[in-house]
Amino acid sequence: GAGVSQSPRYKVAKRGQDVALRCDPISGHVSLFWYQQALGQGPEFLTYFQNEAQLDKSGLPSDRFFAERPEGSVSTLKIQRTQQEDSAVYLCASSLLGREQYFGPGTRLTVT
Amino acid sequence: GNSVTQMEGPVTLSEEAFLTINCTYTATGYPSLFWYVQYPGEGLQLLLKATKADDKGSNKGFEATYRKETTSFHLEKGSVQVSDSAVYFCALPNSGGYQKVTFGIGTKLQVIP
Repeated sequence: GAGVSQSPRYKVAKRGQDVALRCDPISGHVSLFWYQQALGQGPEFLTYFQNEAQLDKSGLPSDRFFAERPEGSVSTLKIQRTQQEDSAVYLCASSLLGREQYFGPGTRLTVT
Repeated sequence: GNSVTQMEGPVTLSEEAFLTINCTYTATGYPSLFWYVQYPGEGLQLLLKATKADDKGSNKGFEATYRKETTSFHLEKGSVQVSDSAVYFCALPNSGGYQKVTFGIGTKLQVIP
């Protein structure tokens, strides 16, 4: 595809459920980022992959959050035992190394 | 660490009015500076950028000048249109090779006819 795609676009989860959010980056982009955007706030960095290697996970808020990119392309952000404070839009971005990031439309997660 | 402070919205303007959205930053060294825009229902898009002091980034009639002396990167447009209604984010990358980005809180702009 022409841009970064994310699925699902909307997800409602009951507190305690596990969720998996998918990101399809632009083909050939080495770098992949996940950000969390709470309502009325700017995006905040969660984690970074260079190819399949997770080089920075300093922004993951707890050990309930886990991300992977096993083949250096598609990435999945998994949240275990969701809590209400996890409600946010999760943004994925990809780029060539050190270059402009291209963002997907995001997945809006609502935890009830 | 890096941080960005931008004026909170919402900002409501009439069509053809002049726009300024203030942004100041704190960073080690002299990073690049960005403005991103988020139109309703769409993903973040890079609007403009400046890579060094006194550079002016411009796109779609928007401009911002990298002011090292005031650590500012204010966004301006001389005549806004209804189609400019969106949320605008000031941002800067970290100094590492992979450019993790720190964003401001975002300023919602609504332009009325």
